[in-house]
Amino acid sequence: DAGITQSPRYKITETGRQVTLMCHQTWSHSYMFWYRQDLGHGLRLIYYSAAADITDKGEVPDGYVVSRSKTENFPLTLESATRSQTSVYFCASSTGGPSYEQYFGPGTRLTVT
Amino acid sequence: GQQLNQSPQSMFIQEGEDVSMNCTSSSIFNTWLWYKQDPGEGPVLLIALYKAGELTSNGRLTAQFGITRKDSFLNISASIPSDVGIYFCAGLYGGSQGNLIFGKGTKLSVKP
Repeated sequence: DAGITQSPRYKITETGRQVTLMCHQTWSHSYMFWYRQDLGHGLRLIYYSAAADITDKGEVPDGYVVSRSKTENFPLTLESATRSQTSVYFCASSTGGPSYEQYFGPGTRLTVT
Repeated sequence: GQQLNQSPQSMFIQEGEDVSMNCTSSSIFNTWLWYKQDPGEGPVLLIALYKAGELTSNGRLTAQFGITRKDSFLNISASIPSDVGIYFCAGLYGGSQGNLIFGKGTKLSVKP
């Protein structure tokens, strides 16, 4: 059971480039989430999705784009990366309904130079 | 906006000691979750709490949902070296899955 996976695990990119972080889950969970984790800020929600083709903004959505064409995938795209987007990005998923338990992937460490 | 105050920020443990940490807020929450994160990994769910006053255990870990719904507590009994890591509380307000906010973590380290 692979659970929730993220790729790549590490990425270095230059300012202004587009970069896409991938997230894949094998649990058929309805909900998927993207968080960023920064020292001093903890985990902050970027975007989430309740189902395929349904997405909503979180606390810090600016500069990010998401899509969800299939239930199991939830890619996060930085259209024009900035140094302030250097962070560790975590994908999570949840069954939804009465459960609010979120299960996290291993993370992607992104450095923007 | 909603904020969670998690304390202590860090603490040192000696094997065998009991550990306590808590999260407080001025806002009411409907669900409390506790996570542990090891270096280079994602947070792992430890305990979920859904009712005010609820006390739930997971092995040596016990967590409580505060009666006022504004706080939650996590206790670790008889700590062992593998308990080292960062513990996060998360509280859900309202009814939306997108309304989960996280505390800034309590870092557990081994006493030198």
